[in-house]
Amino acid sequence: KNQVEQSPQSLIILEGKNCTLQCNYTVSPFSNLRWYKQDTGRGPVSLTIMTFSENTKSNGRYTATLDADTKQSSLHITASQLSDSASYICVVSLSGTYKYIFGTGTRLKVLA
Amino acid sequence: DSGVTQTPKHLITATGQRVTLRCSPRSGDLSVYWYQQSLDQGLQFLIQYYNGEERAKGNILERFSAQQFPDLHSELNLSSLELGDSALYFCASSVEAGGPLGEQFFGPGTRLTVL
Repeated sequence: KNQVEQSPQSLIILEGKNCTLQCNYTVSPFSNLRWYKQDTGRGPVSLTIMTFSENTKSNGRYTATLDADTKQSSLHITASQLSDSASYICVVSLSGTYKYIFGTGTRLKVLA
Repeated sequence: DSGVTQTPKHLITATGQRVTLRCSPRSGDLSVYWYQQSLDQGLQFLIQYYNGEERAKGNILERFSAQQFPDLHSELNLSSLELGDSALYFCASSVEAGGPLGEQFFGPGTRLTVL
């Protein structure tokens, strides 16, 4: 069954600290993996997108990594800010289709 | 602002009723996607249209239907509403049909409350 699992479910960190969010997937055949940031009550906004041949991609303080062999991805946030408080969603798309499998997200809270 | 617009922003209705949610994609985008997000749940893909044609179907109930019009705007129709249909409904658009690098841009969502 095609699934995307994210951990932890929620996370609280202090402003200025780093954190890493995990995404494990069983989607096959794999096309690409995206990380989205979703502020409460708003639509998701794309952070990064990676194909199977890419190991890492950065977007400012956000760095995503992908290990296609182990089917794992991580999103590392450096020097967190209060505005990083949001849900982070991992999305994997199936190769040869137009289907997207969404993880349930990690809810991050950054405290001052 | 993603450039995707959705109306209405909020909708409150009663069980058994029918509602229509509207989405206008970004200028130039041919693909429209609909998603449902229940409270504290992940996004559930409902359906995708590309240039007026249905392209992919997800977990969309038979009580729900959608269409994409010649001007590329899309409507999601929800009928015989139940309490469990209360959720945020997001529309997203992309330039292409959702290929490997087809990034989706999400609208602000419509919050539906069924009483």
